[in-house]
Amino acid sequence: DTAVSQTPKYLVTQMGNDKSIKCEQNLGHDTMYWYKQDSKKFLKIMFSYNNKELIINETVPNRFSPKSPDKAHLNLHINSLELGDSAVYFCASSQDLSYGEDTEAFFGQGTRLTVV
Amino acid sequence: AQKITQTQPGMFVQEKEAVTLDCTYDTSDPSYGLFWYKQPSSGEMIFLIYQGSYDQQNATEGRYSLNFQKARKSANLVISASQLGDSAMYFCAMREAGGTGGFKTIFGAGTRLFVKA
Repeated sequence: DTAVSQTPKYLVTQMGNDKSIKCEQNLGHDTMYWYKQDSKKFLKIMFSYNNKELIINETVPNRFSPKSPDKAHLNLHINSLELGDSAVYFCASSQDLSYGEDTEAFFGQGTRLTVV
Repeated sequence: AQKITQTQPGMFVQEKEAVTLDCTYDTSDPSYGLFWYKQPSSGEMIFLIYQGSYDQQNATEGRYSLNFQKARKSANLVISASQLGDSAMYFCAMREAGGTGGFKTIFGAGTRLFVKA
């Protein structure tokens, strides 16, 4: 069973379109994240959600809107797509540190978004 | 300011030899976690090893060990007996408080490792 799954794996779309990427984790983790990996492989955190609540929003344009219907899902909706949005987007989840255990983040397989 | 620094953009190692990938970090939090991930050409992120800031001993996981020097704020990854399948990007990461009640894991720029036959 896939621990963190994101769909679609590949997404090609035109500038100006609106698109969504879905993410689900079956690990029972409290915290979920979205990361953006650019062409130089740099991984940057975008959002962090804990128990459906937005915890961290790292200077991301408001065209990006995360939605967490429950703690197992964190979807990313992007409005008015721009060429610079082309990247690989990773969803990840981890157990809340407040439980006293520090665990690694488990990553989805990534979604390669290409804006043309 | 860069919080995770990986100074080696690329490294070469001969098969069966050991290699050390450098990582230094910067944080004022007394409690934090350090991680290493591997990203092969297929793109997935694979967790390798974890070190907690209060752990007294260096972490080890099979052929991977983490050389944790807290005073120097370094967390170098040592891969022993390199294999061809170790060729990949390696990311050092740190989990720290996000400043708004949550936590975030931030990544270094990565080191691309090439294992030569």
